[in-house]
Amino acid sequence: QKEVEQNSGPLSVPEGAIASLNCTYSDRGSQSFFWYRQYSGKSPELIMFIYSNGDKEDGRFTAQLNKASQYVSLLIRDSQPSDSATYLCAVNILSGGGADGLTFGKGTHLIIQP
Amino acid sequence: NAGVTQTPKFQVLKTGQSMTLQCAQDMNHNSMYWYRQDPGMGLRLIYYSASEGTTDKGEVPNGYNVSRLNKREFSLRLESAAPSQTSVYFCASSEAGLAGTDTQYFGPGTRLTVL
Repeated sequence: QKEVEQNSGPLSVPEGAIASLNCTYSDRGSQSFFWYRQYSGKSPELIMFIYSNGDKEDGRFTAQLNKASQYVSLLIRDSQPSDSATYLCAVNILSGGGADGLTFGKGTHLIIQP
Repeated sequence: NAGVTQTPKFQVLKTGQSMTLQCAQDMNHNSMYWYRQDPGMGLRLIYYSASEGTTDKGEVPNGYNVSRLNKREFSLRLESAAPSQTSVYFCASSEAGLAGTDTQYFGPGTRLTVL
């Protein structure tokens, strides 16, 4: 049974500060890791993916993966009010010749306070 | 390039009625997925199709059937709707098949209420 755990929040961060979002997963076979952002009433929107241990940076966003600890995180630098949303962590185990769907955490509600 | 499209956007059904949710993608992706999202439960995989001509059950397949009509289209059918199927349904697609190509892109969702 694949499980992905996130703190549901809300996580409140002042504008301009660093927001840190965390996620743990249970299946050591997980190979790819995704962060999606979801605004209320909208569909999930991909922010970043990461496959290898270490850090991956894209603009204000940094994803961090530690497979030994089964831990993935997302850092948002210089947080803006427009970053206020629910952030979904998702993992995938690639099987055979195709992906078999993502297992999602329940999401962390992030609030950036002006 | 519309990405992933879903119809309808909203639907209200009575218990026992049937309906089909439609999904299409124009990104030439191999794999397509159906998820449902419920408050407090997160997104859960209903069915997926790794490639044209194949379908497989996900975490919560009971009460649903799917058809991969062609490479572009993947439909989800509720044969006899129940109030427990009230949810937001998302379709997604990915290139898949190779490591690094499994990023999934989501459609706008269908908000279904079963009375």
